[in-house]
Amino acid sequence: SYVLTQPPSVSVAPGKTAGITCGGNNIGSKNVHWYQQKPGLAPVLVIYYDTVRPSGIPERFSGSNSRNTATLTISRVEAGDEADYYCQVWDSSSDHWVFGGGTKLTVL
Amino acid sequence: QVQLVESGGGVVQPGRSLRLSCAASGFTFTTYGMHWVRQAPGKGLEWVAVISHDGNNKYYTESVKGRFTISRDSSKNTLFLEMNALRAEDTAVYYCARGASSTWYLLEYWGQGTLVTVSS
Repeated sequence: SYVLTQPPSVSVAPGKTAGITCGGNNIGSKNVHWYQQKPGLAPVLVIYYDTVRPSGIPERFSGSNSRNTATLTISRVEAGDEADYYCQVWDSSSDHWVFGGGTKLTVL
Repeated sequence: QVQLVESGGGVVQPGRSLRLSCAASGFTFTTYGMHWVRQAPGKGLEWVAVISHDGNNKYYTESVKGRFTISRDSSKNTLFLEMNALRAEDTAVYYCARGASSTWYLLEYWGQGTLVTVSS
């Protein structure tokens, strides 16, 4: 089955840029979606189809996807961005939806 | 606005059954694929099952195949997850989620979740 690999944690100072990676075999050929989950709350879609921001998501959130790594980038990080972030793809070979293990973003 | 409200969670003994419900409102239920996703305590998200907008196609993660059944009732705008032969490792918060317009490959809206605890 298809595996997505994320770093368990990323730390960043307020106002700086955070990059959260999602690794997978030839992930650049797949559509990657990103979710933000704050403690005790349901996940929220923040990026879909690699680069598209849903309505209401700040422009500070952006995404990219190439070859074996997709990246969620958060610019001018704020304290309110502290959360767990998950990448997700659909694996056509198994008709399974796959989530990465999640990355905890800490704002220092 | 889109609302998804799960119910039916609780404490259940290993080997027993439980049925989760997800009441949907604020959109045309019959035009969207629907998912169940779970999250064990302190762990990440795990996709469980999906059902197509018309109920004709269903897919499951391997660990629940043959034990869980996803279904939907369009007359009640409700999604279900019938869970049989429950195991301790099924303990989790279960979220229902709606696919996006014209595609079920991403999960656009999520409910608040319902907790299932499997324990003797």
